[in-house]
Amino acid sequence: SQQGEEDPQALSIQEGENATMNCSYKTSINNLQWYRQNSGRGLVHLILIRSNEREKHSGRLRVTLDTSKKSSSLLITASRAADTASYFCATETSGSRLTFGEGTQLTVNP
Amino acid sequence: EADIYQTPRYLVIGTGKKITLECSQTMGHDKMYWYQQDPGMELHLIHYSYGVNSTEKGDLSSESTVSRIRTEHFPLTLESARPSHTSQYLCASSELQGNTGELFFGEGSRLTVL
Repeated sequence: SQQGEEDPQALSIQEGENATMNCSYKTSINNLQWYRQNSGRGLVHLILIRSNEREKHSGRLRVTLDTSKKSSSLLITASRAADTASYFCATETSGSRLTFGEGTQLTVNP
Repeated sequence: EADIYQTPRYLVIGTGKKITLECSQTMGHDKMYWYQQDPGMELHLIHYSYGVNSTEKGDLSSESTVSRIRTEHFPLTLESARPSHTSQYLCASSELQGNTGELFFGEGSRLTVL
């Protein structure tokens, strides 16, 4: 089974609202990363949080990491229609390889 | 904007044909990866390389092969394509130092085998 599982699978909100996506994983990690993918395109790195960090901010993004619960959340504040995309969490364990979750499809309605 | 390029972006071919998907990066990254992704699904690592003449199989078994003769180039080859190979193939690269770092992705090659 996948190391990273995301919840919800799909999320539809109105512009200006906040969007929260969650990621759970199974084994110990070195770091956790979030990526964004527009339809039919490659992935773009958003933010990386290390295993010894609990929260990180980047612009309208806020990521939390709870290693005791093996979970992370990505919050996008004041969402825009341009935020419509799929969002993936990826965990790095030993061996420097990333394992991706199934993604959350976010739709922001104007 | 990541300096990693994939060609072709789209390819439609018949069963049994040999195809090569090209991936090049100009960032001098030692690590390179190929992921396979079906529409709306997660990415599966099929091949990776930590440098020239280094190639490894990923987590998902694949009939494709890769080579790493030059740092900047990591092509993927299917000797005899089948409809089950229809998918999107994403190439990525990252720096070698330490064991952390973001991946830079190409735009993907969408392969359809008829």
